[in-house]
Amino acid sequence: KQEVTQIPAALSVPEGENLVLNCSFTDSAIYNLQWFRQDPGKGLTSLLLIQSSQREQTSGRLNASLDKSSGRSTLYIAASQPGDSATYLCAVDSGTYKYIFGTGTRLKVLA
Amino acid sequence: DTGVSQDPRHKITKRGQNVTFRCDPISEHNRLYWYRQTLGQGPEFLTYFQNEAQLEKSRLLSDRFSAERPKGSFSTLEIQRTEQGDSAMYLCASSKGSGNEQFFGPGTRLTVL
Repeated sequence: KQEVTQIPAALSVPEGENLVLNCSFTDSAIYNLQWFRQDPGKGLTSLLLIQSSQREQTSGRLNASLDKSSGRSTLYIAASQPGDSATYLCAVDSGTYKYIFGTGTRLKVLA
Repeated sequence: DTGVSQDPRHKITKRGQNVTFRCDPISEHNRLYWYRQTLGQGPEFLTYFQNEAQLEKSRLLSDRFSAERPKGSFSTLEIQRTEQGDSAMYLCASSKGSGNEQFFGPGTRLTVL
């Protein structure tokens, strides 16, 4: 059974700092992994999708990497801004189309 | 793309009442998903459709829950005889193609009194 863990659960950083969010999964036979952002009381916004054959994806200040053999993905945020404050969720598809989510990392970027 | 839409955005009901939520996916997305999210947790999968066929249901989806997607377009999720434990955010997502990137709606927040 696939399990997804995100560490840390919460993180506070000063504006401008580069940071890394971690996502671990127990079954390396994944189809894809998607990172989302969720603002309080809102739905999920897609950030990056990494397919199983890819090692990383980039969008603006965001870079996500995937290492299936070690069961890990990281989301790198460069030059963080207060507007980046949100909960970041990773989700894994093990080939059944449904996603298994982690519990998220609550990020606060201090001005 | 106009995005995934959900209606209503908020629903307050009394225990024992029935409620129905609607989801309109991104046009031409053939897969549609329902998830449930409680405070401080990640979303949990409930069920998904490919076109009009319901292909998988989670054990979380008790007999009081039913979902439909007539004609493979919008979907409805009905909860009968609501319980306080049903209070949660109900999220809908849609996707297409082999990549299966899922796009989520704003959610329906259900409060059962």
